[in-house]
Amino acid sequence: NAGVTQTPKFQVLKTGQSMTLQCAQDMNHEYMSWYRQDPGMGLRLIHYSVGAGITDQGEVPNGYNVSRSTTEDFPLRLLSAAPSQTSVYFCASRPGLANEQFFGPGTRLTVL
Amino acid sequence: AQSVTQPDIHITVSEGASLELRCNYSYGATPYLFWYVQSPGQGLQLLLKYFSGDTLVQGIKGFEAEFKRSQSSFNLRKPSVHWSDAAEYFCAVVPTSGTYKYIFGTGTRLKVLA
Repeated sequence: NAGVTQTPKFQVLKTGQSMTLQCAQDMNHEYMSWYRQDPGMGLRLIHYSVGAGITDQGEVPNGYNVSRSTTEDFPLRLLSAAPSQTSVYFCASRPGLANEQFFGPGTRLTVL
Repeated sequence: AQSVTQPDIHITVSEGASLELRCNYSYGATPYLFWYVQSPGQGLQLLLKYFSGDTLVQGIKGFEAEFKRSQSSFNLRKPSVHWSDAAEYFCAVVPTSGTYKYIFGTGTRLKVLA
């Protein structure tokens, strides 16, 4: 099993550009989440999904979109990048509501 | 609102010394409790978890944590720290009802002196 994979590992964008961060898992987990990690702020939930076709907002959803067309994939779209979105982004999955989360290696995004 | 507090942003210990990282939560009932570790440039890895039962739980890499209901705490401990334990540690809770969203603390960065 590859676990949770994320691409790209690094990305530099200019303000106003759009892009999609990819996340995939091969563990058949129903629950997937996107977090951003900023110094001193821990991990903040952006969006999450409890199954294919079902997504919901976390605590910092503005400027981001998600979709979940398959169990395996959970892409995160930045609609119009802003410097405030410079961060490290982690995707995570888990098999049940209260289970351990499995994290991807992260994507380091810089918005100029 | 539910919250998790890790009061120590940075902790420095000497190799071989004991370690205790503090975690307090705010939630009406006992939530599910987790400790994760993040090595530099890596994602998070589960150290241990508490759902119910014995309040002292054992984890990987020689870590343990004790749940104290009266103090709403779930502190992480290790009797003898190794240089490879240098990392950032996150406490997390999942409420037992409602949205079941993970709530993470802000993390404690551990430095180990040789």
